[in-house]
Amino acid sequence: QQQVKQSPQSLIVQKGGISIINCAYENTAFDYFPWYQQFPGKGPALLIAIRPDVSEKKEGRFTISFNKSAKQFSLHIMDSQPGDSATYFCAASMVSNTGKLIFGQGTTLQVKP
Amino acid sequence: DAMVIQNPRYQVTQFGKPVTLSCSQTLNHNVMYWYQQKSSQAPKLLFHYYDKDFNNEADTPDNFQSRRPNTSFCFLDIRSPGLGDAAMYLCATRRTRVTDEQFFGPGTRLTVL
Repeated sequence: QQQVKQSPQSLIVQKGGISIINCAYENTAFDYFPWYQQFPGKGPALLIAIRPDVSEKKEGRFTISFNKSAKQFSLHIMDSQPGDSATYFCAASMVSNTGKLIFGQGTTLQVKP
Repeated sequence: DAMVIQNPRYQVTQFGKPVTLSCSQTLNHNVMYWYQQKSSQAPKLLFHYYDKDFNNEADTPDNFQSRRPNTSFCFLDIRSPGLGDAAMYLCATRRTRVTDEQFFGPGTRLTVL
């Protein structure tokens, strides 16, 4: 029940294309869903996050779509750039509890020039 | 700039030789976390502190201990490192128990020879 499942494991997109990464969760008590971007040898950096009371959040080229009934959320990267090449982790947590982040397995994105 | 700082960035130790990793933060956040991230895997929570209250994850090996002498500093002690403990160790902070964002440090890459 604590798992977050992420797909695909790896993704190759052409420059200018749309990258889509999907996550699914089981625990309906989760109330915070962040996406982290991680470059090799660096710590994860918060990219964008959403709470379950909204269905979509957009920040620049990054959009989270959230489907509460399906217990799924996804990250869309519009106009993907080579600099977006990194590993992306979705996560979920219960903010009012420990705030412990349950991470998905990660998606390695490669954007080809 | 306010941030989460981890030292050293790279640590090499010998099998069975105790090692201490450190984390400091200038954010004045109450909550601090230690995550372990093995190669090509998602970060996994080891412990967290709310202020000085220590919380151990049920599956964190006894070989791992932590100290938080004050708000700014947190240490991860590995008493007898094994080859399986080679990983990136990530420190993260959260402002309070009810805020959502977690901020990660750059990590310490531990190699066990």
